[in-house]
Amino acid sequence: EAGVVQSPRYKIIEKKQPVAFWCNPISGHNTLYWYRQNLGQGPELLIRYENEEAVDDSQLPKDRFSAERLKGVDSTLKIQPAELGDSAVYLCASSPRVGRQETQYFGPGTRLLVL
Amino acid sequence: DAKTTQPPSMDCAEGRAANLPCNHSTISGNEYVYWYRQIHSQGPQYIIHGLKNNETNEMASLIITEDRKSSTLILPHATLRDTAVYYCIVIIFGNEKLTFGTGTRLTIIP
Repeated sequence: EAGVVQSPRYKIIEKKQPVAFWCNPISGHNTLYWYRQNLGQGPELLIRYENEEAVDDSQLPKDRFSAERLKGVDSTLKIQPAELGDSAVYLCASSPRVGRQETQYFGPGTRLLVL
Repeated sequence: DAKTTQPPSMDCAEGRAANLPCNHSTISGNEYVYWYRQIHSQGPQYIIHGLKNNETNEMASLIITEDRKSSTLILPHATLRDTAVYYCIVIIFGNEKLTFGTGTRLTIIP
């Protein structure tokens, strides 16, 4: 069974440029998460989708971050414009059952460097 | 306040048992103890979870004290591939989000 797929794995951009990350969750998993992980810290939730609905986006900086999961399968996270402080690893995860967040399957992440 | 306290780092010799402690003195009756680990350049990986009984699976064993205020994750025969950051998480079974702390960085020494 394929795991959570993320692309790109690495991205280097200059500040003020836009950037997008893509995630394809495990087939059949209805819940999808985006996390941000700063160096030396644990992952922090940005947004959670149940099917195509964003049910928790309280930690998403909405002035510059946006996300979508149009058909309830794959998802895109966008930053526009990027700032130096956005340098981090962006992780996508999925879980099979709506309403059950304890067991999540993570992708390898996208490492973003903003110069 | 953090729900769990873990040592920032530990070393263990290859082939020996690695015992990773976690303190969760304010745990409530409906909260489970979950363990994840994160190998370098990978996303976190679920290891094991428990409520009050000891648990074992193909990856590890989880020992929870009788008062449930602390637990220990045991990797019985550590290998170099077990080098990772290990996160202990206390969570209500249901629709509560995972909250990761800074974990314990375990280094397996050849």
